[in-house]
Amino acid sequence: AQSVTQLGSHVSVSEGALVLLRCNYSSSVPPYLFWYVQYPNQGLQLLLKYTSAATLVKGINGFEAEFKKSETSFHLTKPSAHMSDAAEYFCAVSDQAGTALIFGKGTTLSVSS
Amino acid sequence: GAVVSQHPSRVICKSGTSVKIECRSLDFQATTMFWYRQFPKQSLMLMATSNEGSKATYEQGVEKDKFLINHASLTLSTLTVTSAHPEDSSFYICSASPANKRAEAFFGQGTRLTVV
Repeated sequence: AQSVTQLGSHVSVSEGALVLLRCNYSSSVPPYLFWYVQYPNQGLQLLLKYTSAATLVKGINGFEAEFKKSETSFHLTKPSAHMSDAAEYFCAVSDQAGTALIFGKGTTLSVSS
Repeated sequence: GAVVSQHPSRVICKSGTSVKIECRSLDFQATTMFWYRQFPKQSLMLMATSNEGSKATYEQGVEKDKFLINHASLTLSTLTVTSAHPEDSSFYICSASPANKRAEAFFGQGTRLTVV
């Protein structure tokens, strides 16, 4: 069965600092991996996705993630945090295109000035 | 392209009443849609898979008679919370994928249900 583990339910960084949100997955087949951002009382916005192409995936708003099969990881990074990045971030996995996603528990990112 | 619209965004209802939530794919057809539930400060949990023209598939522990799903057309799925109770208060989100982007899920804006 697939699962997703997001290490750290809450991450705090200063504005301009590196953002690193961790995600590890388990899947018996090559996975599709996703990072979503959610602002309060809103739906999910896709930041980026891995679908077996390049292992380093660039997304919107300066975010990127690297798929590391040996580590079963898909950590999300951004070189320089902005105040507007403060939100809830979810890592998700699926084993087939068009199937439901399995979500991690989420990481709340706080950005201080 | 690939826009999913959910309505209403917020609803408050009294205990014992029923509430219908709509999920529409605006610019593509979706034979399958997914309904998720999110409790405060928690992750999204899949409730059911909505299949156009056939019965929905419910996840273990989800009461199918309480959460009625109808997928009557290729662009609309509805979730009806019947005889709502305060513990049904939650954030409900749907998703769908167009045929040419099946590897990506597009989410509605979500519906905040409060049962008083």
